[in-house]
Amino acid sequence: DAKTTQPTSMDCAEGRAANLPCNHSTISGNEYVYWYRQIHSQGPQYIIHGLKNNETNEMASLIITEDRKSSTLILPHATLRDTAVYYCIVRGGSYNTDKLIFGTGTRLQVFP
Amino acid sequence: DGGITQSPKYLFRKEGQNVTLSCEQNLNHDAMYWYRQDPGQGLRLIYYSQIVNDFQKGDIAEGYSVSREKKESFPLTVTSAQKNPTAFYLCASSIEGGVGVTGELFFGEGSRLTVL
Repeated sequence: DAKTTQPTSMDCAEGRAANLPCNHSTISGNEYVYWYRQIHSQGPQYIIHGLKNNETNEMASLIITEDRKSSTLILPHATLRDTAVYYCIVRGGSYNTDKLIFGTGTRLQVFP
Repeated sequence: DGGITQSPKYLFRKEGQNVTLSCEQNLNHDAMYWYRQDPGQGLRLIYYSQIVNDFQKGDIAEGYSVSREKKESFPLTVTSAQKNPTAFYLCASSIEGGVGVTGELFFGEGSRLTVL
C-alpha cells in the first residue's frame, strides 16, 4: 500500500522557490517524514526529515501541517542542479521500516 | 571518506548467466538494503539485512540471492532465474534497521545491469 502521494511532475523557474507537496494522510504519531532526491542515474540523496515541527537545513525547509497529514518541501532558491526526482516517504512507527515504499516521486524541472 | 561503494557501475550479461553486484560500506552501519529501479519507476526492495549473517526477502526477491558474512559487505547475485534482470540496482545502508527505526538511508551510486 502506498504510504504517500505526490504530484507526478512540477516546473520551477531558476531562482524561485520550489514547493513540493506530499500527502501522508495515514501517518501515525511516531512516524517521521523523509525527503530524498534522485538526480538521473545516481543514488538517492537524503535531503531532510521531520516529525512534527518544521525543519530547515542548508538544502531545504520542511513544513509539516499541524495534523501531520501532509507536508511541503521547500527549495528556497532553485537552481538548474535541483532538477531531479523528489521522493517523500515515511519511516518509523509500528511497521517494518525496512519495507520503505518509494513511489514514483515528483519530477522537478528547473528552467532558466 | 565514509560511504557506500557499488561495483561495477555498468555490467552486461548474457542470458542464462549469474552475475554478482558488489556493495561495500565503511559507515559501520548494521542494516543494508538492495533496491531495484526500472525506468520511470520508484525503488522496489529486493533483500535487506539488519545484522550480519541474517537477511530477509523484500517485495521482489525471486531470482536474486544475497549473503551477509561481513558487516561492511552485502553482495547481490542476479541469477538466471530472474526473468527480467535489466535494471538499475541500488544498495543502501542505515545505522540500524527494523521496526520503529527512523535513521536515514545512505545510498550508493548504483549498478546498471543490461542483459543481452
